[in-house]
Amino acid sequence: QSALTQPASVSGSPGQSITISCTGTSGDISGYNYVSWYQQHPGKAPKLMIYDVSNRPSGVSNRFSGSKSGNTASLTISGLQAEDEADYYCGSYAGSHVVFGGGTKLTVL
Amino acid sequence: QPQLQESGPGLVKPSETLSLTCTVSGGSITSSSFYWGWIRQPPGKGLEWIGNIYYSGTTFYNPSLKSRVTISEDTSKNQFSLKLNSVTAADTAVYYCARLRWSGWYGDYWGQGTLVTVSS
Repeated sequence: QSALTQPASVSGSPGQSITISCTGTSGDISGYNYVSWYQQHPGKAPKLMIYDVSNRPSGVSNRFSGSKSGNTASLTISGLQAEDEADYYCGSYAGSHVVFGGGTKLTVL
Repeated sequence: QPQLQESGPGLVKPSETLSLTCTVSGGSITSSSFYWGWIRQPPGKGLEWIGNIYYSGTTFYNPSLKSRVTISEDTSKNQFSLKLNSVTAADTAVYYCARLRWSGWYGDYWGQGTLVTVSS
């Protein structure tokens, strides 16, 4: 059982927007502004997409955005593209350790 | 841009010790801006943080693994290592090493991962 809770799957059509939620506790998500999101394609290492709740690393499309409200963080992908189909994981600093969500499989219909 | 590469045995017997090394190129593990960490992923499952080491040698471990884990560094070789003892089949996973930002502990660069299977 993962420390952070994500939906197992989400789906959307090309061009649409989807949002993936990540629910934690006061000990992680709401306690720190250190939420990150990772994209993982099959057989590949995770790739950092969002850090510090809403910041994008250089080279990551601005179609990806992050936010947080209370104990829940969210990743929004706008203008869905076929290559966005992947697993997405949230992560949070939790006071001298890190916790991850169980992952969400995004299917682009 | 740094590159990280995991190395070590792909098969470990139950009750023995899993040992992996991460070799870093294109950046120094003595930088004060980063931690260096290990994350694992059992087949078909999610990510699990194992632990980090700072250039000073300070370590932080997942509470659920703390009694079995040791992370160390060799600054002369620009490497850091993972030892996990008393392994069981539940420790079968792809093991990733990663560079973690000092603030927030998020992984901005990852190795390609190495599958370690625990089996007799």
